[in-house]
Amino acid sequence: GAGVSQSPSNKVTEKGKDVELRCDPISGHTALYWYRQSLGQGLEFLIYFQGNSAPDKSGLPSDRFSAERTGGSVSTLTIQRTQQEDSAVYLCASSPSETQYFGPGTRLLVL
Amino acid sequence: AQSVSQHNHHVILSEAASLELGCNYSYGGTVNLFWYVQYPGQHLQLLLKYFSGDPLVKGIKGFEAEFIKSKFSFNLRKPSVQWSDTAEYFCAVNHGVNAGNNRKLIWGLGTSLAVNP
Repeated sequence: GAGVSQSPSNKVTEKGKDVELRCDPISGHTALYWYRQSLGQGLEFLIYFQGNSAPDKSGLPSDRFSAERTGGSVSTLTIQRTQQEDSAVYLCASSPSETQYFGPGTRLLVL
Repeated sequence: AQSVSQHNHHVILSEAASLELGCNYSYGGTVNLFWYVQYPGQHLQLLLKYFSGDPLVKGIKGFEAEFIKSKFSFNLRKPSVQWSDTAEYFCAVNHGVNAGNNRKLIWGLGTSLAVNP
């Protein structure tokens, strides 16, 4: 069946611009996670959505980062006024319960 | 704070050699443990997982891992590696049951495995 999809696969932007990253989870998965994979820092948790509950935003690194999940399905991660340190691979995962299934990621490069 | 340590950052082996990748975590409560693999150019895939029960778990492609609670370890093993096992391997942990719904994963930094044919 269809896995988690993310778009775009690659994004190059200029410092100060806003970017929007999209995640389409596996149908029926109630939980959705965003992670960031940076060189030398490994994977870090950003935000978690579960059904209609308030999201856990505890991993967002600054107020320039925000995310929403519409209709309990598609999620969008927005980074405002991008900085060079935002360059990373942004990974989305969805989960029916305990195990998380990952998308291919969006590679973001901020020049 | 929770953390996950992977002892080997880069491992180079010849085909048919045995593999053991170390993973230790710091957390005193109930945990779920995972190994994920990322083949070149591909996305993260689940290799195996431990939630409860038999501490020796078997995953895909001949991999296995053993949970040793007293050592806070979850080492990954394979008796005989193949060239196709060349990949990045990540150990991850999250809270087990009774810890709320957020199962955010805490990750090790990964181990890059290169298998020479």
